[in-house]
Amino acid sequence: NAGVMQNPRHLVRRRGQEARLRCSPMKGHSHVYWYRQLPEEGLKFMVYLQKENIIDESGMPKERFSAEFPKEGPSILRIQQVVRGDSAAYFCASSPAPGERANIQYFGAGTRLSVL
Amino acid sequence: KQEVTQIPAALSVPEGENLVLNCSFTDSAIYNLQWFRQDPGKGLTSLLLIQSSQREQTSGRLNASLDKSSGRSTLYIAASQPGDSATYLCAVTPWGYQKVTFGTGTKLQVIP
Repeated sequence: NAGVMQNPRHLVRRRGQEARLRCSPMKGHSHVYWYRQLPEEGLKFMVYLQKENIIDESGMPKERFSAEFPKEGPSILRIQQVVRGDSAAYFCASSPAPGERANIQYFGAGTRLSVL
Repeated sequence: KQEVTQIPAALSVPEGENLVLNCSFTDSAIYNLQWFRQDPGKGLTSLLLIQSSQREQTSGRLNASLDKSSGRSTLYIAASQPGDSATYLCAVTPWGYQKVTFGTGTKLQVIP
């Protein structure tokens, strides 16, 4: 059973471009979470999604950032018109449907975004 | 709002020493607590997970304890090795909600 897969591992963008980060949850997991780790800071929650639903986006910046988790395919974190301050490591986690082990999140290796 | 604090922020010890990393959290209504390891520029490696009903977990040279009433957890590393050098993160998952709160980490350096 493959773990949480994130791609790309490293992404370089110039200011003003769009960044798309992908996350494929573990098999059988229907909940996805995105976290951001700014340089020299801790990981901060961004958004929590179930298939086709955004459950909690309280950690998302109000502008330029969006996330989706479609019925088919990976979850996508999209950053429009990137700025240097968006440079960070973005981690995705997934968990199973509600049940005995619902609250254990399994983390991917992260995508490191560098904005030039 | 849950807040997670880790002390010390950085620690340097000679090889072979036993050491303790501390994590404190403000809201004791937690579902579980995890300790992660993060190497520079790398992802997260889950080390130990303690459910709220448990007091401790052990894996090899690592032992993590949990005291919910006081809002504290410790990670004990026995006979430290240079390969243990990394940043150690404590993360708390609340009951009934999925937002994990991370501490800012303890950066450990084990000197050969």
